[in-house]
Amino acid sequence: GENVEQHPSTLSVQEGDSAVIKCTYSDSASNYFPWYKQELGKGPQLIIDIRSNVGEKKDQRIAVTLNKTAKHFSLHITETQPEDSAVYFCAATLPGGSYIPTFGRGTSLIVHP
Amino acid sequence: EAGVVQSPRYKIIEKKQPVAFWCNPISGHNTLYWYRQNLGQGPELLIRYENEEAVDDSQLPKDRFSAERLKGVDSTLKIQPAELGDSAVYLCASGGAAIYGYTFGSGTRLTVV
Repeated sequence: GENVEQHPSTLSVQEGDSAVIKCTYSDSASNYFPWYKQELGKGPQLIIDIRSNVGEKKDQRIAVTLNKTAKHFSLHITETQPEDSAVYFCAATLPGGSYIPTFGRGTSLIVHP
Repeated sequence: EAGVVQSPRYKIIEKKQPVAFWCNPISGHNTLYWYRQNLGQGPELLIRYENEEAVDDSQLPKDRFSAERLKGVDSTLKIQPAELGDSAVYLCASGGAAIYGYTFGSGTRLTVV
């Protein structure tokens, strides 16, 4: 099965700085890579995703990059704000009829005002 | 739209007692998932339903866990008897016709003492 490694486990930045979270996956057949944000007491929410036929995707202050050769993908958050503080999960999904992502262990992002 | 509704939000029980969690998916969503999220980790799939049929339950500990989705709408997940190691957040998610992406509920935090 798929295995997803995520780093770092904790990331502390000052407001306005950039934050980068990195993930690697094991199965080269994975073709869909979503990122989820989980705030305290809530379920994970999809914030951005990327498919294997795209190398980069951007949505306002967040962007994802994918390197299929190296089997790693990253989340970039620019101009961080205190409300960005949360746990972020990357995931990798194998192709098929169902959508069952394998999640990383999560990164706790703390943005200091 | 109400989103995925789960209850209860919190549950504290003594070990060896039974416990049940309830999930009401987004209206019209045929696919329903139950996940378990241990502290500091990403969600792990327990069972997936397509309408009322359990199509992927390979990760469900069947000696003590059971689930049902009568009429293909809401679902219950039961643990009997509960063990200390079952303490976790139990998340429900539902998905519609689109292959990718689904919506999580806020989860039930179970503490077994």
